[in-house]
Amino acid sequence: EPEVTQTPSHQVTQMGQEVILRCVPISNHLYFYWYRQILGQKVEFLVSFYNNEISEKSEIFDDQFSVERPDGSNFTLKIRSTKLEDSAMYFCASSFWSGGDNEQFFGPGTRLTVL
Amino acid sequence: QKEVEQNSGPLSVPEGAIASLNCTYSDRGSQSFFWYRQYSGKSPELIMFIYSNGDKEDGRFTAQLNKASQYVSLLIRDSQPSDSATYLCAVNFLNQAGTALIFGKGTTLSVSS
Repeated sequence: EPEVTQTPSHQVTQMGQEVILRCVPISNHLYFYWYRQILGQKVEFLVSFYNNEISEKSEIFDDQFSVERPDGSNFTLKIRSTKLEDSAMYFCASSFWSGGDNEQFFGPGTRLTVL
Repeated sequence: QKEVEQNSGPLSVPEGAIASLNCTYSDRGSQSFFWYRQYSGKSPELIMFIYSNGDKEDGRFTAQLNKASQYVSLLIRDSQPSDSATYLCAVNFLNQAGTALIFGKGTTLSVSS
């Protein structure tokens, strides 16, 4: 069964460093998303992406965040200058819009630890 | 501010019983509703979704939606210990392509054998 994959599974970085989290969405899906989950808290939407443009973004997705689809398969989230509070699980998701269904399928996540 | 509320639990049921999980949401115009299951340290796994008022059944799971009351629930019949997880309610307020799911904090279910 097709699935969303993410790399790395765990990333440790120093505060102020840049990180890039990578995702490979399900191959025929057209819409891509990033969510995060701080330990013990709820899953929070960051951004959605379609046709090489951001469709929607939350207040969390400020100027230190960016997304890109550098090729036909990968979807990346870049955090330019990490802060301690960026420590969280980051989930990539994808969906195939078919006129009413917006089922989003999640990848296994990348645990980001900022020291 | 669009909100999704769930009782955090834990909800404890014996094996074989029916587990009932509830969720309320703030926006009457919300369009689609999703239930995800999340095991500790894992990602959300889609169980089922519902768009229309009434019940929708999928195996041991039944989702119930009442838009007038802004209420959605998930029933798990014949609960198994493997159902022990956190259940997340998510709402797509706009039901447009590429738009956000807003999640509740989740209800932790514990099924004892």
